Amino acid sequence: EADIYQTPRYLVIGTGKKITLECSQTMGHDKMYWYQQDPGMELHLIHYSYGVNSTEKGDLSSESTVSRIRTEHFPLTLESARPSHTSQYLCASSEKGLSGNTIYFGEGSWLTVV
Amino acid sequence: AQRVTQPEKLLSVFKGAPVELKCNYSYSGSPELFWYVQYSRQRLQLLLRHISRESIKGFTADLNKGETSFHLKKPFAQEEDSAMYYCALWYNNNDMRFGAGTRLTVKP
Repeated sequence: EADIYQTPRYLVIGTGKKITLECSQTMGHDKMYWYQQDPGMELHLIHYSYGVNSTEKGDLSSESTVSRIRTEHFPLTLESARPSHTSQYLCASSEKGLSGNTIYFGEGSWLTVV
Repeated sequence: AQRVTQPEKLLSVFKGAPVELKCNYSYSGSPELFWYVQYSRQRLQLLLRHISRESIKGFTADLNKGETSFHLKKPFAQEEDSAMYYCALWYNNNDMRFGAGTRLTVKP
């Protein structure tokens, strides 16, 4: 079934650890995104990609990095996690159809850095 | 700058009452606007878009360019409508900007 998968869904790690949040989509979309959202707050775009080997930074400055080696895979990495990185990270992909643009979201990854 | 404003963080109505979730945008181009909804323990999902001029689950939203608004309306709210609602603006062909969201609670 076409979907967007994020792992892990929940992660608690210690300060200074390196973590990678995985995101895969089986929808065949070229554009993919990472949004960051604190509880009760708005979504902020932190990274996006037009396709393989394309990565761009979003509006919100983030110490994370991303890569796009395969169309379906868009992982996000924090080299050294800090408590300020505690947040929810949402992966998404988009398509442009006859009805316009549509963004599809994964279930999100909740990261807690202690 | 492109911006989406949802002035109400919380909105509470009784079942059967009309509901309106406000959204205002700031964009110099031709806007493409959406409403996304997040039910409890579910992922964020598209509710409706202004291009389609559709009614989904009884909700409608009309784009008012003069007032730069895209308010979401439903004449008779149901308890299952309780959720977080986000207004969103697509711009520059590569980004969706979201409002801060409104949490709607429909009381029995």
